Amino acid sequence: QQPVQSPQAVILREGEDAVINCSSSKALYSVHWYRQKHGEAPVFLMILLKGGEQKGHEKISASFNEKKQQSSLYLTASQLSYSGTYFCGTQGDDYKLSFGAGTTVTVRA
Amino acid sequence: AAGVIQSPRHLIKEKRETATLKCYPIPRHDTVYWYQQGPGQDPQFLISFYEKMQSDKGSIPDRFSAQQFSDYHSELNMSSLELGDSALYFCASSPGVSGGNSPLHFGNGTRLTVT
Repeated sequence: QQPVQSPQAVILREGEDAVINCSSSKALYSVHWYRQKHGEAPVFLMILLKGGEQKGHEKISASFNEKKQQSSLYLTASQLSYSGTYFCGTQGDDYKLSFGAGTTVTVRA
Repeated sequence: AAGVIQSPRHLIKEKRETATLKCYPIPRHDTVYWYQQGPGQDPQFLISFYEKMQSDKGSIPDRFSAQQFSDYHSELNMSSLELGDSALYFCASSPGVSGGNSPLHFGNGTRLTVT
């Protein structure tokens, strides 16, 4: 089952923050986050495993609430390079990775 | 560092023709995934292979088939092509069976256009 992402799109000015949410109706083993620039391949950002961990890479971090079957991606002090479509991918016990519909982030100067 | 190689990058076919897409995973990655991405859509999982055996199947049409060879490269064979098959086809690889803690490394995709 495909996870649900929100919002569908967000427009930011450089330096602003944003949160992208990902929720699933099934029990999750892990959540992946990828970013895709137009016409390019998705690029891996991070994986969160069940256990409610939080990860971060510079000013992009994420949390995973196993009980709520939700994950959130936090973009802090956004940069122009953060523009792209962010996909969450969720894995249940079957380990099949299903992607959400994506959140398009546009960062403007 | 070596990445996932897909060929061809672009492919134009007519309706009812066949197409073969190739994917060469990162060395020592034994799991390969195929995704189809339509314009403005999210990647849709088609099929995956682990150690040359099909490990999972998604929304792959019966007209499509795939396999993973002894050198771990994979091929997606598409027959009786339809206009709706026009999309970007991504291959991704990861080390080991998808146990949840291995990121997927994507190739640059093959853009298939069916006319």
